[in-house]
Amino acid sequence: TQLLEQSPQFLSIQEGENLTVYCNSSSVFSSLQWYRQEPGEGPVLLVTVVTGGEVKKLKRLTFQFGDARKDSSLHITAAQTGDTGLYLCAGAWADSWGKLQFGAGTQVVVTP
Amino acid sequence: KAGVTQTPRYLIKTRGQQVTLSCSPISGHRSVSWYQQTPGQGLQFLFEYFSETQRNKGNFPGRFSGRQFSNSRSEMNVSTLELGDSALYLCASSIRGGTGELFFGEGSRLTVL
Repeated sequence: TQLLEQSPQFLSIQEGENLTVYCNSSSVFSSLQWYRQEPGEGPVLLVTVVTGGEVKKLKRLTFQFGDARKDSSLHITAAQTGDTGLYLCAGAWADSWGKLQFGAGTQVVVTP
Repeated sequence: KAGVTQTPRYLIKTRGQQVTLSCSPISGHRSVSWYQQTPGQGLQFLFEYFSETQRNKGNFPGRFSGRQFSNSRSEMNVSTLELGDSALYLCASSIRGGTGELFFGEGSRLTVL
């Protein structure tokens, strides 16, 4: 059973369009992280959200953490081909260092 | 600053053999975690080492083991390989403080025939 449910599993859009990826859980996390992974490489950290209701912006990427610290979303504005990749959300607990609970991931494909 | 280095990048083994994978963390990072990534199960936590001691462990059989050396470098070993052990094994390092961010290596791709 996945503690973190990501949706959708796959997203194909054209350059310039917007997209949103969702990450939902029944557990409360001390923090939630978003990673992007490209083929043949390890995941690369994009952002960490800690406070319920927090919104973080990273250029064209906007991350939200739900008020109850159980869910999160990633919104990309005006997607570019370089945004193509596997987006992973991961929850962390304060008493389990190094142990992240990952979602299954959302494969995003941005075509020219 | 050099990133997390994993060796080897690719390897092929046969059922019943054993394998050892190596991980050098980012300089100054003393916590090393290992993950298994497969298409069916995604990223799953194996174990975490800090100060040469295993601190956290995931739900994997005893065939999966690891260790950490005094310079924070880590190795993981899988004995009596099974076909289902074919996966990308990822190592991540961190400073073990703050909000839990991990920095991953590129992984070791293991194929078991």
